[in-house]
Amino acid sequence: NAGVTQTPKFQVLKTGQSMTLQCAQDMNHNSMYWYRQDPGMGLRLIYYSASEGTTDKGEVPNGYNVSRLNKREFSLRLESAAPSQTSVYFCASSGHPGGVNQPQHFGDGTRLSIL
Amino acid sequence: GQQLNQSPQSMFIQEGEDVSMNCTSSSIFNTWLWYKQDPGEGPVLLIALYKAGELTSNGRLTAQFGITRKDSFLNISASIPSDVGIYFCAGHPRTTDSWGKLQFGAGTQVVVTP
Repeated sequence: NAGVTQTPKFQVLKTGQSMTLQCAQDMNHNSMYWYRQDPGMGLRLIYYSASEGTTDKGEVPNGYNVSRLNKREFSLRLESAAPSQTSVYFCASSGHPGGVNQPQHFGDGTRLSIL
Repeated sequence: GQQLNQSPQSMFIQEGEDVSMNCTSSSIFNTWLWYKQDPGEGPVLLIALYKAGELTSNGRLTAQFGITRKDSFLNISASIPSDVGIYFCAGHPRTTDSWGKLQFGAGTQVVVTP
């Protein structure tokens, strides 16, 4: 069982380039999330999707866009990459929208460096 | 954004010792979760707690949901080298605008020496 799969695992971009990070889950979860993890800052929520067809901003959405393509897939796009977006990006999913708060399950991350 | 207060920041322990870490907040939480992150990987769920006072074990790990709903602790007994990693607490706060969103602690780095 793959769980949450992220691609690519590593990427180097030049300032101003664009890129889409892909995430797919096979647990039939309704909700999906994108986080970034920086040293000393812990995990910060960028965007989330409570259910298929909805997306909402998290704590640090500026410079990012997301698409909930279907129930399985949730992509994160950097339109014009900046060095401040160098980070490790994690996708997560959980079982229920609203109601009972279910634990989130994480992918292995995408390590992104912007020069 | 808000973070939970997790302590200690790091621990250097000898194999076989017990480890204890905790997480506190000024707010009430509906759930408490404990994750472990190994280098180069994503956080993996260790224990989930749903009720105040709940005490749950997973092998050598034991975690409790504080009775005030504002804190939680994680104990690791008889540590082994593979316990090395960063342990994160997380929780769903009891506020109407926080649907499904987790708050995270900054992590406790555990190093186990033979």
